Amino acid sequence: QKEVEQDPGPLSVPEGAIVSLNCTYSNSAFQYFMWYRQYSRKGPELLMYTYSSGNKEDGRFTAQVDKSSKYISLFIRDSQPSDSATYLCAIGSTSYGKLTFGQGTILTVHP
Amino acid sequence: GAVVSQHPSRVICKSGTSVKIECRSLDFQATTMFWYRQFPKQSLMLMATSNEGSKATYEQGVEKDKFLINHASLTLSTLTVTSAHPEDSSFYICSARVDSAHSGNTIYFGEGSWLTVV
Repeated sequence: QKEVEQDPGPLSVPEGAIVSLNCTYSNSAFQYFMWYRQYSRKGPELLMYTYSSGNKEDGRFTAQVDKSSKYISLFIRDSQPSDSATYLCAIGSTSYGKLTFGQGTILTVHP
Repeated sequence: GAVVSQHPSRVICKSGTSVKIECRSLDFQATTMFWYRQFPKQSLMLMATSNEGSKATYEQGVEKDKFLINHASLTLSTLTVTSAHPEDSSFYICSARVDSAHSGNTIYFGEGSWLTVV
């Protein structure tokens, strides 16, 4: 079993839709959770970072963490074509900064 | 926002030669940096953790003599691919952990470096 599982998609939605991206993890020692967006042939861009269960909102993005279920989600409201990218969840277990990544979900938002 | 710069962004080299990739944190100090490689349509695979002033910690299966890492300052880490072979062709990405008591574990990534070995 992989430490972090993420549905690779691809996911295709119309502009304006609400997008839900999800990851599950197996190690309860994981303490902090990040979401990155990666455009083709570019490095990942940090979108959200949280370390507690619950919701964290930033603009159109909401990160949700449920530590009891070992489940994290990223919601994108009013999705735009510019949101088309690969979304990676990343999870860490220590303050050292070592991350374990999900496989990435390819999202396409069509006009 | 924080910026991590990687150079070169794209490099082509001949088989058997060595290639150096630089990773710089431009507006923050980073005691710890990470090196990843990513194959097409796959996720990032951690290669090694680079610590300023000490030896890098390599992940299982990564040859330390082939992928030399030097973290000589708080803003610069380098990855040298020695005696490169075509199978080393990949997208190499670095990340840097912000040195700040208030930043938690904020980690920023560079733009990546495409290596093609011919």
